[in-house]
Amino acid sequence: AQTVTQSQPEMSVQEAETVTLSCTYDTSENNYYLFWYKQPPSRQMILVIRQEAYKQQNATENRFSVNFQKAAKSFSLKISDSQLGDTAMYFCAFKSRETGGSQGNLIFGKGTKLSVKP
Amino acid sequence: GAGVSQSPSNKVTEKGKDVELRCDPISGHTALYWYRQSLGQGLEFLIYFQGNSAPDKSGLPSDRFSAERTGGSVSTLTIQRTQQEDSAVYLCASSLGLAGGLGELFFGEGSRLTVL
Repeated sequence: AQTVTQSQPEMSVQEAETVTLSCTYDTSENNYYLFWYKQPPSRQMILVIRQEAYKQQNATENRFSVNFQKAAKSFSLKISDSQLGDTAMYFCAFKSRETGGSQGNLIFGKGTKLSVKP
Repeated sequence: GAGVSQSPSNKVTEKGKDVELRCDPISGHTALYWYRQSLGQGLEFLIYFQGNSAPDKSGLPSDRFSAERTGGSVSTLTIQRTQQEDSAVYLCASSLGLAGGLGELFFGEGSRLTVL
């Protein structure tokens, strides 16, 4: 069974600084997606960035980028130029693409609470 | 609709009562998911519907929990004889399913259930 581990329950960063959130996962599959979701106090989960496992190039979305290390099963999120609005819970998630795998289910880590301080 | 819609937004009930939570997914999305999020915790998978296939119920915590999806669209999560440990936010999500998209799930704002 797949597992996703986020080892940092809480982190804080000064506004305009850079912060990196860690995520590791365990799977025997070769074809999958990885995601970072953001959950602000409003509760709604919002997709921040996605990575397809077969792509070696790290995904980037504006101030958000990932460091995807497939062999190490590591998928960290870097937030550059942190803004107050980035304050939220951040969840790392895994989804299988393989037939017979847990295709339907998005498996989440326990989350990292990020606080951006002015 | 434009997004995933859930109702009620908040529900307070007494222990032992039954509750129904509703989810209206994004039009055209064939996959629908229910997750439970306890205070300060991650998301716990409950159930997954994909098209007309039998649902994956492997995450339901007990036989007090059930869910239906009518006409491949709206879903209802029912909790019978509620217990205090059922208090949580219940999140619904939908996606394009196996046929398309990039695996992304779109979430509703959740239904916060409080069992007194």
